[in-house]
Amino acid sequence: EAGVTQFPSHSVIEKGQTVTLRCDPISGHDNLYWYRRVMGKEIKFLLHFVKESKQDESGMPNNRFLAERTGGTYSTLKVQPAELEDSGVYFCASSQGSGAQSMNTEAFFGQGTRLTVV
Amino acid sequence: AQKITQTQPGMFVQEKEAVTLDCTYDTSDPSYGLFWYKQPSSGEMIFLIYQGSYDQQNATEGRYSLNFQKARKSANLVISASQLGDSAMYFCAMREGGNNYQLIWGAGTKLIIKP
Repeated sequence: EAGVTQFPSHSVIEKGQTVTLRCDPISGHDNLYWYRRVMGKEIKFLLHFVKESKQDESGMPNNRFLAERTGGTYSTLKVQPAELEDSGVYFCASSQGSGAQSMNTEAFFGQGTRLTVV
Repeated sequence: AQKITQTQPGMFVQEKEAVTLDCTYDTSDPSYGLFWYKQPSSGEMIFLIYQGSYDQQNATEGRYSLNFQKARKSANLVISASQLGDSAMYFCAMREGGNNYQLIWGAGTKLIIKP
């Protein structure tokens, strides 16, 4: 069974450009999460999809970030325009079930996309 | 306020020795779960072990065990008989009860196993 895949693995862009990160969750997983780790800091939650709906987007830093999940399958996270402080590793995770999950529901993570804004 | 604290930014341990990675947490929610993840140099996050707040016994998974001290709000990861392949970043994370499924993360501990 394929795991969570993220593309690209690395991206280097100039300040002001646009970048789109993609995440393909495990097939059948309704829950999809985006997290970000800025250099030297903790991993922070960005948002949570249940199927195609945004369940919680309280972690999105500002309106330069736009996440979508068309048809409840793969998800994209667009940063437009990118700023230097957006540099970091963006993780995607997915888990089973929709709606109420068990406390111990495991989230499966992708390898992350390392974004560098110069 | 910091909800998950990992006080050890880095650790060196001799191969075959046991190692304890510290994690303390802060929550007022009586229902919560604690997770440990391993991140090797390849980048992926690998789930290691889970402890629920109502679990009576400490969780164990192979060489991994969780020393759960609820009154002290600590959930230390113990790796027995460390191996070279255990070298990685280790993250402690918490999920609180209610309708919020996000994980709250510590800063991580970089563990290096010496041959």
